[in-house]
Amino acid sequence: NAGVTQTPKFRILKIGQSMTLQCAQDMNHNYMYWYRQDPGMGLKLIYYSVGAGITDKGEVPNGYNVSRSTTEDFPLRLELAAPSQTSVYFCASSYRDSPLHFGNGTRLTVT
Amino acid sequence: KNEVEQSPQNLTAQEGEFITINCSYSVGISALHWLQQHPGGGIVSLFMLSSGKKKHGRLIATINIQEKHSSLHITASHPRDSAVYICAVSWDYGQNFVFGPGTRLSVLP
Repeated sequence: NAGVTQTPKFRILKIGQSMTLQCAQDMNHNYMYWYRQDPGMGLKLIYYSVGAGITDKGEVPNGYNVSRSTTEDFPLRLELAAPSQTSVYFCASSYRDSPLHFGNGTRLTVT
Repeated sequence: KNEVEQSPQNLTAQEGEFITINCSYSVGISALHWLQQHPGGGIVSLFMLSSGKKKHGRLIATINIQEKHSSLHITASHPRDSAVYICAVSWDYGQNFVFGPGTRLSVLP
C-alpha cells in the first residue's frame, strides 16, 4: 500500500491565483482530513469527510473548498490565494478511531 | 471545546537520558494519539490509546482517563529521536481530532 499520497510537495503561488492540492489514499479509509500547520502552531482542521459525497467544514475553512467523489480521493481547492494561506498542508485519513495516516505534506507559499 | 496542552514546549537532552513529555486535555475522549514529526518531514502515528499503557521499542505511552493526562516516555534517548512530538485527542469515533502545539525534542550526542 502507498498509504496517503499528496501532491505537489512544494508550490509558490501569486496572490489571486488558484490551485488544487491532491490527496489520495489506498487503505479504504472512510475518514479523510485536510489540515494546515503554521510555524510553531498546532495542526488546524480545514475540512473533513466521513465518506464519499459527504464533506464538512473544520476550524479554518475560509478560502478553501473540497470534494469527495470517491473513497480514495479528497482534493483541496484554493481559490484566490492570499498570503495568509502560506502554510504547510497535510492530508490524513483514518478508519473509525484508528490511528491517523498522514501524507508527506505540501509546502505552499503565496507571494 | 477540547483543549490540548503539552509540556514542555521545548526539551534538550543528552543521549541516553530518559525523557518524558506530558499531555493534558479538558474533555472526555475516545482515544489519545501520539505523533512524531521530524524536521521538514511528514507526521507519523506512534501510539493510539484509550486506557492503560502501550510500549513499542524504547517508547512507552501511558494514559490516565480520570486525570485526563497522558505521558510519552523515551528510554535511552538517541539523536535520531530528535523531532516534534504531538499529542492529539479524538472523539466521535474519529470524526474529530484536536492537536496539541507539540513538544520539540533535541537529543545531543
